[in-house]
Amino acid sequence: EAQVTQNPRYLITVTGKKLTVTCSQNMNHEYMSWYRQDPGLGLRQIYYSMNVEVTDKGDVPEGYKVSRKEKRNFPLILESPSPNQTSLYFCASSSRGLAGSYEQYFGPGTRLTVT
Amino acid sequence: ELKVEQNPLFLSMQEGKNYTIYCNYSTTSDRLYWYRQDPGKSLESLFVLLSNGAVKQEGRLMASLDTKARLSTLHITAAVHDLSATYFCAVALGANSKLTFGKGITLSVRP
Repeated sequence: EAQVTQNPRYLITVTGKKLTVTCSQNMNHEYMSWYRQDPGLGLRQIYYSMNVEVTDKGDVPEGYKVSRKEKRNFPLILESPSPNQTSLYFCASSSRGLAGSYEQYFGPGTRLTVT
Repeated sequence: ELKVEQNPLFLSMQEGKNYTIYCNYSTTSDRLYWYRQDPGKSLESLFVLLSNGAVKQEGRLMASLDTKARLSTLHITAAVHDLSATYFCAVALGANSKLTFGKGITLSVRP
């Protein structure tokens, strides 16, 4: 089954404790992205990647790091989490597709709470 | 900076009636997407609109794109309870993966 997976799905942590949220896709997509969703703010892109070893900042990259060492994986790293990073995080992947649609497929989400 | 606005942000719909929701964006775009999100769930792709005048329909939903007006509409025909959800539009520029989302419109269908 074609899918985007994220782990963990739920995480409660404390300020300053480094964490990694993993994202993996099995569709051989070139493009992958991370978003955060906050009430009243919608979804905002954190980072995106156009292929292995190619990443770029989205709209809210501060406090986050990413890496793309393999095509299927795109982990999100919070080196020193803070309470304002409490949010619902989504990973997504896409490829050019028919007629250049670049349709994005979203993972199930990771709910992160930083205390 | 690309801005995407959706309105209204909340819409209470009566079962059986027709409604239209709107998505405006601020700069020329290559692609526009509509997504549906149920509470506590991920985003489900509904439509991808790639050119001016594009129209796509799936069941009771029909999406259209006017690139000159920088406007997309999502028309709902004969609303039913199953359509209750939050609907997002998102706009993309270029051949990369950078999407800008609107804040979403929450639809609630009442009997």
